[in-house]
Amino acid sequence: GAGVSQTPSNKVTEKGKYVELRCDPISGHTALYWYRQSLGQGPEFLIYFQGTGAADDSGLPNDRFFAVRPEGSVSTLKIQRTERGDSAVYLCASSLGVRTGRNTGELFFGEGSRLTVL
Amino acid sequence: DAKTTQPNSMESNEEEPVHLPCNHSTISGTDYIHWYRQLPSQGPEYVIHGLTSNVNNRMASLAIAEDRKSSTLILHRATLRDAAVYYCILISVKAAGNKLTFGGGTRVLVKP
Repeated sequence: GAGVSQTPSNKVTEKGKYVELRCDPISGHTALYWYRQSLGQGPEFLIYFQGTGAADDSGLPNDRFFAVRPEGSVSTLKIQRTERGDSAVYLCASSLGVRTGRNTGELFFGEGSRLTVL
Repeated sequence: DAKTTQPNSMESNEEEPVHLPCNHSTISGTDYIHWYRQLPSQGPEYVIHGLTSNVNNRMASLAIAEDRKSSTLILHRATLRDAAVYYCILISVKAAGNKLTFGGGTRVLVKP
C-alpha cells in the first residue's frame, strides 16, 4: 500500500530483552517521526528525522532508546534492556518535511507496533 | 509550545452536528491550529488546519475566533465512523518540522 507501514504489528518480549521496531514511510517523505502511546493517553513525541539525521531527539526517555534512519527512508527504533514500563503502542509518522504553498505539512501515521514487555 | 485545552469527552447522536471546542489562550501569531483524530486501534489522521480564517474541507469545518484564543471543530453530520479522539494542536510556522504535541484530546461518542 501507499501508507506508512510498521512492523511488527505486535511484539511480546521479556524484561531485559532487546527489541527493534521498523517503520517504512511514504515514498518521497523526507521527515519521519516516532511517537509512543500508552493506554488512554495521547501520543508522546520521541524523535524526529529530517533525511538521515535526527533533527530533534528530545523525547527519547533515556539512553536505552535509540533510532536510526541510515538511508533517509526506513527507520528502526531500538530499545535495549526493555522494562515493563516500555509497554505501549509505538507510532511512526512521515511527512513531506516542508510546508510550501498548499502543502499542509500534515503527518501520515502508521497503525503502530504494540509492544508488551512481560 | 502554546497549550490547548479540550473537554475530555462529548456525546452526539448520529446525523447530528458535533461542535468540539478548543481553547488556546496563549497562541502566538505564528501558530497554526491543527486538528487530528484517532479512530480506535489506528494511528492519528489529519482532519483540518487553519490560521485566521474559517476553513472547510470534506471532513469538517474549523471556526476560529477573531482573537484566535479559541477554535471549534465542526462535524456537520456525525456518523458512527466519527467516533474517535479528536486532538487540537498548535504548530508554529517557525518550527523546523511538524512535530505534534498531543494533549488528552476529546473522546467523541456517537450514538445511533
